Amino acid sequence: NAGVTQTPKFQVLKTGQSMTLQCAQDMNHNSMYWYRQDPGMGLRLIYYSASEGTTDKGEVPNGYNVSRLNKREFSLRLESAAPSQTSVYFCASSESGGGNQPQHFGDGTRLSIL
Amino acid sequence: GDSVTQMEGPVTLSEEAFLTINCTYTATGYPSLFWYVQYPGEGLQLLLKATKADDKGSNKGFEATYRKETTSFHLEKGSVQVSDSAVYFCALRGPGNQFYFGTGTSLTVIP
Repeated sequence: NAGVTQTPKFQVLKTGQSMTLQCAQDMNHNSMYWYRQDPGMGLRLIYYSASEGTTDKGEVPNGYNVSRLNKREFSLRLESAAPSQTSVYFCASSESGGGNQPQHFGDGTRLSIL
Repeated sequence: GDSVTQMEGPVTLSEEAFLTINCTYTATGYPSLFWYVQYPGEGLQLLLKATKADDKGSNKGFEATYRKETTSFHLEKGSVQVSDSAVYFCALRGPGNQFYFGTGTSLTVIP
């Protein structure tokens, strides 16, 4: 029962470095999401993918890019990391089509930008 | 647009106390409503859900009732335990497979 798997779990970067956060789900879900969680601000949507081959911006997309590699995988890339991107990043997936299915979350990637 | 407003925290209770965390929503149509729980260092886990008016979701002693007339989905538990210490998020599923979350309520239960 893997569900949603995120890698890495922890990462420290220097300002200006780039990296890709990986996410994979094994539930055959169509929709996938990337959020960031900051103290006192709840979850903020960065990007989402309603289905394979499509991606859309969320609330806070600046400084990020995404790739929906296939139905299982949805990666988030920081091209030039900034200290303001220090956060906990969560990937989630959900079934689409019906209106009552929840999101399933990974355990998060804790990212620090120095 | 759709949104969720959640009771500010943090909340500190003694073990066996009654818990209420308020949640109200704004939405077009009749969204599905959810409560998630996040334990330290972990992701969000679905706690319970309700998909239509007057539905009651329940799990692990927690309950919430979908109230269309007051646009509310308050979380309750009759007797909290130390192990219930976590952050609780109210959420709704809107159109286009979008989910909207409250800012979270931190609960600490002391023995």
